Amino acid sequence: EAGVTQSPTHLIKTRGQQVTLRCSPISGHTSVYWYQQALGLGLQFLLWYDEGEERNRGNFPPRFSGRQFPNYSSELNVNALELEDSALYLCASSAGTPGVAGELFFGEGSRLTVL
Amino acid sequence: AQKVTQAQTEISVVEKEDVTLDCVYETRDTTYYLFWYKQPPSGELVFLIRRNSFDEQNEISGRYSWNFQKSTSSFNFTITASQVVDSAVYFCALSEILTGGGNKLTFGTGTQLKVEL
Repeated sequence: EAGVTQSPTHLIKTRGQQVTLRCSPISGHTSVYWYQQALGLGLQFLLWYDEGEERNRGNFPPRFSGRQFPNYSSELNVNALELEDSALYLCASSAGTPGVAGELFFGEGSRLTVL
Repeated sequence: AQKVTQAQTEISVVEKEDVTLDCVYETRDTTYYLFWYKQPPSGELVFLIRRNSFDEQNEISGRYSWNFQKSTSSFNFTITASQVVDSAVYFCALSEILTGGGNKLTFGTGTQLKVEL
């Protein structure tokens, strides 16, 4: 069974540009989570999507957005890139059992460098 | 607010030594879950264990064992007879169940484990 896949694995952008990162969850998983792992800031929760809807977001500005498609894959968009957006962006999926904190299965991430 | 503290930033051991990674958490929730993840250089976070707040039994899985003590809010992880392949960053995490059933993890800052020959 394929795990969580993310693309691209690495990318370099310049300040002010926009970027789109993609994630395919494990088959059968309806929930997708996005985390940012920036140097010195650790792993921070960005967004949670379930059944095509944004359900919760972390403490990030509106220029961080995304969506979830009918096949449960997801995109993370970051507009007006800033230097501090340089980070590893990790996507995770979960089966989403109500009332139970199920394990999150992570992809290998997309490493974004902003110059 | 949820908080996870991993006071050990980096640990170096020689292969075959036992090593314990510490994790202390803070939460006001009565029901919560704790996790350990391993992050090798490839970047992927690999799930190791989940423990809920009502289950204080210690867990052993091969060379890995976990000691959950609610009284001290700790969830420590021990690797017995460490191997070079255990070298990675290890994260402890605490869950917050979101409205709608989502699982938001608060991670500690991680412990870099280096196992040398």
